Amino acid sequence: EAGVVQSPRYKIIEKKQPVAFWCNPISGHNTLYWYLQNLGQGPELLIRYENEEAVDDSQLPKDRFSAERLKGVDSTLKIQPAELGDSAVYLCASSPGTSGRIDTQYFGPGTRLTVL
Amino acid sequence: AQSVTQPDIHITVSEGASLELRCNYSYGATPYLFWYVQSPGQGLQLLLKYFSGDTLVQGIKGFEAEFKRSQSSFNLRKPSVHWSDAAEYFCAVGVRGTYKYIFGTGTRLKVLA
Repeated sequence: EAGVVQSPRYKIIEKKQPVAFWCNPISGHNTLYWYLQNLGQGPELLIRYENEEAVDDSQLPKDRFSAERLKGVDSTLKIQPAELGDSAVYLCASSPGTSGRIDTQYFGPGTRLTVL
Repeated sequence: AQSVTQPDIHITVSEGASLELRCNYSYGATPYLFWYVQSPGQGLQLLLKYFSGDTLVQGIKGFEAEFKRSQSSFNLRKPSVHWSDAAEYFCAVGVRGTYKYIFGTGTRLKVLA
């Protein structure tokens, strides 16, 4: 079974440029998560999708960040414009169920973003 | 508020030695508990989880963890460490009734040959 796929794995951009990250969850997983992981820290949730609906985006900085999961499968996270402080690893995870209950989350390899 | 503490930022052990990584949580009820490992440049891989039942949980790669309610701890152990175990280890609490994970700040393990 294929795991969570993310691309690109690495991205270097200059500040004020836009950037997008893509995630394809494990087949059949209804719930998709985007996390931010700063250096030396644990992951912090940015947004959670159940199917195509964003059910929790309270931690997403909406002035510059956006996300979509149009067909309830793969998802894109965008930053526009990027700032120096956005340099981090962006992790995508998926889990099988919905209903808002705890489920085992499976993580992708992440995208390491460097903003110069 | 719920929180997870991993007191050791770095741990160094010799190959073949035993390992214990500490995790303490703050939570008002019995939590769901997880240990993940993150190798350099990789995502998080689930080692083991505790939802209920036997408080000693076996995981992959020879790891185990023990839930101790009285100490609010869920320490990860391995009897004999291999060089390939060098990585960062994250403990997480799942908040019952929600989908949320709260992660600790991680413990970076170095293994000496």
